[in-house]
Amino acid sequence: DQQVKQNSPSLSVQEGRISILNCDYTNSMFDYFLWYKKYPAEGPTFLISISSIKDKNEDGRFTVFLNKSAKHLSLHIVPSQPGDSAVYFCAARRTHGGSQGNLIFGKGTKLSVKP
Amino acid sequence: DAGITQSPRHKVTETGTPVTLRCHQTENHRYMYWYRQDPGHGLRLIHYSYGVKDTDKGEVSDGYSVSRSKTEDFLLTLESATSSQTSVYFCAISEGGTGANVLTFGAGSRLTVL
Repeated sequence: DQQVKQNSPSLSVQEGRISILNCDYTNSMFDYFLWYKKYPAEGPTFLISISSIKDKNEDGRFTVFLNKSAKHLSLHIVPSQPGDSAVYFCAARRTHGGSQGNLIFGKGTKLSVKP
Repeated sequence: DAGITQSPRHKVTETGTPVTLRCHQTENHRYMYWYRQDPGHGLRLIHYSYGVKDTDKGEVSDGYSVSRSKTEDFLLTLESATSSQTSVYFCAISEGGTGANVLTFGAGSRLTVL
């Protein structure tokens, strides 16, 4: 049962345009959502997060939007640059009781930004 | 860069042999994790640790064991490797506490089981 879904395996965008990566989830108990970026032969690196009590978080060219009623979040990259070409993972966290909670990842979307 | 070192970075082994992957951190973080990454599956949690000698299973723990005898080291052991365990393994650490629980990942260990 996949709790975090990234339904688009790949996305191609022209340099300077907007990239929109989507993520859907099924568990309404998730309290934080995160985006990671991964280059080949490297570990994933943290990009941006959003709390479930927010609907938007912005950091430079990266903005994450959360629609709780639709159980949907999206990552917007504006403007897109060739260096943004990577695999992007959506992740969600659920805490229960006093536990730390672990991250559940989607399958990833490969973004290609063409010059 | 966060101080996480994974070793070995690459390993080729044969079915049935034992394999141990090591994760070493210099951040003194409480939480450590082992994930595997496979095409079409994303990142899946194998085991995690919330302190010395405190570990728990993730979603794909069958065939794997872990140990954490020191804060800085988290070992992942495949007692008898199988071809289905061919994968890229990532160690991650986090400080814990409230907030988003941002994980910092190592560079990965690529394991091939023939």
